[in-house]
Amino acid sequence: DVKVTQSSRYLVKRTGEKVFLECVQDMDHENMFWYRQDPGLGLRLIYFSYDVKMKEKGDIPEGYSVSREKKERFSLILESASTNQTSMYLCASSQRTGVSNQPQHFGDGTRLSIL
Amino acid sequence: AQKVTQAQTEISVVEKEDVTLDCVYETRDTTYYLFWYKQPPSGELVFLIRRNSFDEQNEISGRYSWNFQKSTSSFNFTITASQVVDSAVYFCALWKGNTPLVFGKGTRLSVIA
Repeated sequence: DVKVTQSSRYLVKRTGEKVFLECVQDMDHENMFWYRQDPGLGLRLIYFSYDVKMKEKGDIPEGYSVSREKKERFSLILESASTNQTSMYLCASSQRTGVSNQPQHFGDGTRLSIL
Repeated sequence: AQKVTQAQTEISVVEKEDVTLDCVYETRDTTYYLFWYKQPPSGELVFLIRRNSFDEQNEISGRYSWNFQKSTSSFNFTITASQVVDSAVYFCALWKGNTPLVFGKGTRLSVIA
């Protein structure tokens, strides 16, 4: 069965801290994505990656960076956390090409609170 | 540019009522795919259905049905005889293939016993 695993379901950090959110997939997918979800705004794409060491900015990359050193792992980094980054973060992965029933498989999400 | 609009922010129904969630999309592509995802209170996104742009046949799966109409760029989702377990946020999404999904803002459905 397909699996996208996010390292934490709940996380509480302080303003100014450097925060790492980890995502691992076991499906050998090329593509990986990070979204944040906020009430009334839906899912917004932060960054995505089509291959190891590659990254592309999404719609709201400011304040974030990413790392993709291995195919199965995609890390989201908050360089200096701020309260407006309190949100639900969702990781997803997908195959590069071809037709599959689900374009993206999602993790369970991380609820991050910045105090 | 691609865009998905879910005009209904929140819907509340009494159990056993039918409810339709609206989804309107915009795209200039002739080949595309449309999806519905369910997000229960636990947070994970659960895939419900995918349709491609060449297949306008409506689909029924148990209490769920989907009405895809290219003429109005809509892909509406109906739950028949709603149940409390249907309470969730539902997202409609558009996909061109090998690009990130474009999501609507979601509709929060509350089914009251």
